[in-house]
Amino acid sequence: DGGITQSPKYLFRKEGQNVTLSCEQNLNHDAMYWYRQDPGQGLRLIYYSQIVNDFQKGDIAEGYSVSREKKESFPLTVTSAQKNPTAFYLCASSTRAQDGYTFGSGTRLTVV
Amino acid sequence: RKEVEQDPGPFNVPEGATVAFNCTYSNSASQSFFWYRQDCRKEPKLLMSVYSSGNEDGRFTAQLNRASQYISLLIRDSKLSDSATYLCVVEKGFQKLVFGTGTRLLVSP
Repeated sequence: DGGITQSPKYLFRKEGQNVTLSCEQNLNHDAMYWYRQDPGQGLRLIYYSQIVNDFQKGDIAEGYSVSREKKESFPLTVTSAQKNPTAFYLCASSTRAQDGYTFGSGTRLTVV
Repeated sequence: RKEVEQDPGPFNVPEGATVAFNCTYSNSASQSFFWYRQDCRKEPKLLMSVYSSGNEDGRFTAQLNRASQYISLLIRDSKLSDSATYLCVVEKGFQKLVFGTGTRLLVSP
C-alpha cells in the first residue's frame, strides 16, 4: 500500500546534537512538506519542496535544514541552532494542494 | 489577524447530538478548503474537502461561505468515536496549506 513513512517514531536528542528525521513516500507525489506541532498549537511549516533538488523555507526554518535528492525522500535535520526542538514533527506529501496533503505518522523529538 | 481561526473548544456533547464548528479565513483568494481530523498524539487525516456548493459525507456536512470567508462542519448523530480535534485547513497559494489550531470535540455516553 502507498503511504508516507516517518522514522523514528520517538527520538531523544542531547543538547548540542544534530539529528535527522526520515520521511519516505511511495505515493509518487511531487511535493513534500515538514511541519512542527507543539502542544495545544497548530501546525507550523518548516520547509517544503515542490520538486526534486529544490526546496523553500517555510515560516519557521531557522535551526533546520533539508535535502531533496530523490522524489521519494525528504529528510529533515534539526541542528543545534534550533533552541526549542522538542515537538511533534510531521511530514506530508501531495500532488497538488487542491487535493490536500497525506501525512506520515510523525516523529516525537525530545531534548534530554 | 490569523490566517485561519477556530474556536479551540472543547465542545462537550452527548452521543446522538448534532454539533457544528465554524472557521474563518483571511485570504479571500484561497481556492481550496478542507477539514482534517486529528486524534490525540496522531497525525492529521483528511476528513473531507469543502466545496462552494456544500458537500455531505454520511453524518458530516461541510459548507463554504466565500462572501463571509468562513467554513463550517456539521456532525449529526455524534458517536463516541467522533471525539477528536478537527482542523480547518485553507490553501494559501504556492501549493501550501495553512492549518487552524483545531477545535476539540468530546462526545460522552
